[in-house]
Amino acid sequence: DGGITQSPKYLFRKEGQNVTLSCEQNLNHDAMYWYRQDPGQGLRLIYYSQIVNDFQKGDIAEGYSVSREKKESFPLTVTSAQKNPTAFYLCASSPGYGELFFGEGSRLTVL
Amino acid sequence: EDQVTQSPEALRLQEGESSSLNCSYTVSGLRGLFWYRQDPGKGPEFLFTLYSAGEEKEKERLKATLTKKESFLHITAPKPEDSATYLCAVFKAAGNKLTFGGGTRVLVKP
Repeated sequence: DGGITQSPKYLFRKEGQNVTLSCEQNLNHDAMYWYRQDPGQGLRLIYYSQIVNDFQKGDIAEGYSVSREKKESFPLTVTSAQKNPTAFYLCASSPGYGELFFGEGSRLTVL
Repeated sequence: EDQVTQSPEALRLQEGESSSLNCSYTVSGLRGLFWYRQDPGKGPEFLFTLYSAGEEKEKERLKATLTKKESFLHITAPKPEDSATYLCAVFKAAGNKLTFGGGTRVLVKP
């Protein structure tokens, strides 16, 4: 089946640790996105990539890093510089013109 | 600065009680307005795209409309399975990204 696969679904991190969230898509979409969602809130854009080997900061990029070495993959690293990383992270891909296809999300909890 | 505001934040309905959700926006160069449905602990699912004022789209009990300043999502005779968070988002061609509102949590009680 075509779609977006995020892993892990749940992740626990100790303070000071970096963690990497995986996002893979087999929809052959050029654009990929990472959003953060806090309880009862909408989605805020962290990073996005419109093509391989290129990516742009979104509205809340501080404390996060990404790479886009392959069309299918867009991993997100939550670094120790992110002061409040506990959240629900959503990856999406798009064929263009705004329609996004989302993964099932990864819930990160800092212990 | 682009802004997308959804109201109300939460809505409790009895089964069969129709209502409307609002999404107001201030965006320069709007290319499209999107509605998504999100179930708890899941990723959002695409519902509608509206491109120009006056446009309407329907899907089962949902109908989305668009003016130059806002969009409405009408839920007609809702059922408990319509309970979800409904998100609207605006798309600008510059930057190729969506900006989301805060969402409306809808609970439909039998």
